[in-house]
Amino acid sequence: DAKTTQPNSMESNEEEPVHLPCNHSTISGTDYIHWYRQLPSQGPEYVIHGLTSNVNNRMASLAIAEDRKSSTLILHRATLRDAAVYYCILRGSMEYGNKLVFGAGTILRVKS
Amino acid sequence: EPEVTQTPSHQVTQMGQEVILRCVPISNHLYFYWYRQILGQKVEFLVSFYNNEISEKSEIFDDQFSVERPDGSNFTLKIRSTKLEDSAMYFCASRRPGSGEAFFGQGTRLTVV
Repeated sequence: DAKTTQPNSMESNEEEPVHLPCNHSTISGTDYIHWYRQLPSQGPEYVIHGLTSNVNNRMASLAIAEDRKSSTLILHRATLRDAAVYYCILRGSMEYGNKLVFGAGTILRVKS
Repeated sequence: EPEVTQTPSHQVTQMGQEVILRCVPISNHLYFYWYRQILGQKVEFLVSFYNNEISEKSEIFDDQFSVERPDGSNFTLKIRSTKLEDSAMYFCASRRPGSGEAFFGQGTRLTVV
């Protein structure tokens, strides 16, 4: 079973920031928080990952709560191309090994 | 930018036939994976492969499935006797040691008729 909880869907306006939440209350100390996305008819694509500190890259920012029980993926200016399913995944614990366990994710719709 | 390539993009096969799905991972990657996604459902892990052997496999990956890295560049998934329920998108992924980023291919759509 997936160990993260995400809203089923969210909607955003183009050019506006988007905050995608994820709850992971049973996270262990060695779990990394990963975000992937899947554009229509494509394979999953890595977005960002982190352990404890907030992370930034060219695609997005990841804000991790101090207790690590939740995190938020931030797209600073949504474009139509960002419409996708976004997956929040925990990886790295002894229980899960190297594989990625995908849940249902959050369907992000971007309106022009 | 390096990418994982999969062939064919679409394969139609008769039930009971053997199929081989091919993947060329990124050249300096050492961890390899197969996932599948039945239409409208979640992406499911099938198998991971490292150091020329399976490191983990799911319940889906039964005796009908096998993986191989025959020549140091290709990574293949074989389904010995396909069933209708094997129809899905199959994604190959690879990752280099020490990196948290897995790179996925565009997938092979397998249709079993």
